[in-house]
Amino acid sequence: EDKVVQSPLSLVVHEGDTVTLNCSYEVTNFRSLLWYKQEKKAPTFLFMLTSSGIEKKSGRLSSILDKKELFSILNITATQTGDSAVYLCAVPRRTSYDKVIFGPGTSLSVIP
Amino acid sequence: GAVVSQHPSRVICKSGTSVKIECRSLDFQATTMFWYRQFPKQSLMLMATSNEGSKATYEQGVEKDKFLINHASLTLSTLTVTSAHPEDSSFYICSAKGGWEKLFFGSGTQLSVL
Repeated sequence: EDKVVQSPLSLVVHEGDTVTLNCSYEVTNFRSLLWYKQEKKAPTFLFMLTSSGIEKKSGRLSSILDKKELFSILNITATQTGDSAVYLCAVPRRTSYDKVIFGPGTSLSVIP
Repeated sequence: GAVVSQHPSRVICKSGTSVKIECRSLDFQATTMFWYRQFPKQSLMLMATSNEGSKATYEQGVEKDKFLINHASLTLSTLTVTSAHPEDSSFYICSAKGGWEKLFFGSGTQLSVL
């Protein structure tokens, strides 16, 4: 059965800390992995990863994929209170209707 | 970037009534849209895949007669919660494929059934 697992499920850090969020997957016909940030409403897109070993970077956020070991990490450096959110990892699976499987999310709380 | 509009953002209704939620792709055509349900502190649960011009594909355990999906055009999908009950209270989010597997999400609808 296809699945996406994230860890930790919950994390509390102080401003300025660096955090690493993990996502592992077992998905048929893997093509890409997506990271989203969800605050109060809809998730917002962060990264899409398709190739192993190539780091994607956006400001203080970065992410990398390991297709051999079937996992991805999302790093946030110098965390700020505005980084507090649920971070979702998602993997599209090619079926007759392209089902997207979401992980349970990591709830990050950054305290001043 | 691609924009997906969803409304209403919040609806409160009486038990037994039906509620319609709209999801529109504003600047791109979406042949496929997805409807998710999210309970507090939980992840997104895919309810159904909405395909333009054909019947929706429902996930296991989702009642198709309860959650009616219509995708009449390339930019609009609707979810109707029929005869809503308090247990249907939840956050409903739609998303649309924006090419190369990127998903763009609507802003969600918080449904509260009294």
